[in-house]
Amino acid sequence: NAGVTQTPKFQVLKTGQSMTLQCAQDMNHNSMYWYRQDPGMGLRLIYYSASEGTTDKGEVPNGYNVSRLNKREFSLRLESAAPSQTSVYFCASSERQGLFSLEAKNIQYFGAGTRLSVL
Amino acid sequence: SQQGEEDPQALSIQEGENATMNCSYKTSINNLQWYRQNSGRGLVHLILIRSNEREKHSGRLRVTLDTSKKSSSLLITASRAADTASYFCATRSNDYKLSFGAGTTVTVRA
Repeated sequence: NAGVTQTPKFQVLKTGQSMTLQCAQDMNHNSMYWYRQDPGMGLRLIYYSASEGTTDKGEVPNGYNVSRLNKREFSLRLESAAPSQTSVYFCASSERQGLFSLEAKNIQYFGAGTRLSVL
Repeated sequence: SQQGEEDPQALSIQEGENATMNCSYKTSINNLQWYRQNSGRGLVHLILIRSNEREKHSGRLRVTLDTSKKSSSLLITASRAADTASYFCATRSNDYKLSFGAGTTVTVRA
């Protein structure tokens, strides 16, 4: 089982360039998430998709857009990259996100990350 | 803003010793989860404790939760070199999202 697959693993951009980070999961999960991880800050939620066809803003959505292409795929787009977006980006998925769902269905499974540098 | 904050930020122990790290949070929660991150990798779920539970065990892991103090602790017993990693607590409140702390970096010396 591949689990959650992110591409690319590394990327260097110049300020103002655009790019799309890809994420795919093969666990038939309903919910998917994008986080960024900066030193000393833990993970911060950028956007999430509770189910296919829906997306919502997280804690730090400015400068990003997302697309839930289908149940498997959830992409993150930087339209005009800025140095402040230099970070490690993680995609995650979970079976459910509802408050009264079984706890096991709320556990999140993470990809290996994309290390992005914006010069 | 981060809901959980881990303490200490870093911990260095000898192989075979126990490692204890704490997590404090600010608002009421539905459950609290602990995740591990090895260097250069994604996070891996370790254990989940519900708000109505006080203690939970999984192998060499023991988690406690004190909702009155809004705190949790993770104990790793008989540590091994493979336990070297960063450990994050994540709280789940009524808005369905997980909120992660900044993590505790654990180094296990051989």
